[in-house]
Amino acid sequence: DAGITQSPRYKITETGRQVTLMCHQTWSHSYMFWYRQDLGHGLRLIYYSAAADITDKGEVPDGYVVSRSKTENFPLTLESATRSQTSVYFCASSEYGTSQYEQYFGPGTRLTVT
Amino acid sequence: AQKVTQAQTEISVVEKEDVTLDCVYETRDTTYYLFWYKQPPSGELVFLIRRNSFDEQNEISGRYSWNFQKSTSSFNFTITASQVVDSAVYFCALSVWTGTASKLTFGTGTRLQVTL
Repeated sequence: DAGITQSPRYKITETGRQVTLMCHQTWSHSYMFWYRQDLGHGLRLIYYSAAADITDKGEVPDGYVVSRSKTENFPLTLESATRSQTSVYFCASSEYGTSQYEQYFGPGTRLTVT
Repeated sequence: AQKVTQAQTEISVVEKEDVTLDCVYETRDTTYYLFWYKQPPSGELVFLIRRNSFDEQNEISGRYSWNFQKSTSSFNFTITASQVVDSAVYFCALSVWTGTASKLTFGTGTRLQVTL
């Protein structure tokens, strides 16, 4: 099916482990985004990408790494997971970068760091 | 810097009541867009509406209506004759162009509970 998918949907990992969250979109949208959702904070931007091989930091990038070798994929890696990274992570994409275009969100990944 | 405030953390109403969700934003940009997203219990985020900073016309879509007032920097959302299916968390968001991408700033959300 066309759209934006995330995997895994649920993940439990231990402190200090590396974990990668996957995001895949079938629309060939240029822009992709990673957000984390925490109670009392809404959604906060972690990283975004304007095109393959072009990425930039958002509001809360520390502890995260992204890459974008292909337009359709935008993985998010926690290099050494910490308990404060327990959150729900949303990937989003947008056809264009200008602010008038809505972002389409994936179903989210619930990550628990123990 | 951009900021979006949704002062109502949680609202509970009985079905068929009207309810208004408040959203106040801050930005120095003259061109910006405002959005409302719905997050039902299933967790996905659903786009509801977009409004640009130059268009202050109110909008109605079925039971939903939006009131944009630049003078008070508000973009409020009203559900008329609420239904149980409206139960969700609603997010207001502000989008501005940074020169490299549009960035969405979200409010903290308002949880709406509609009961029978």
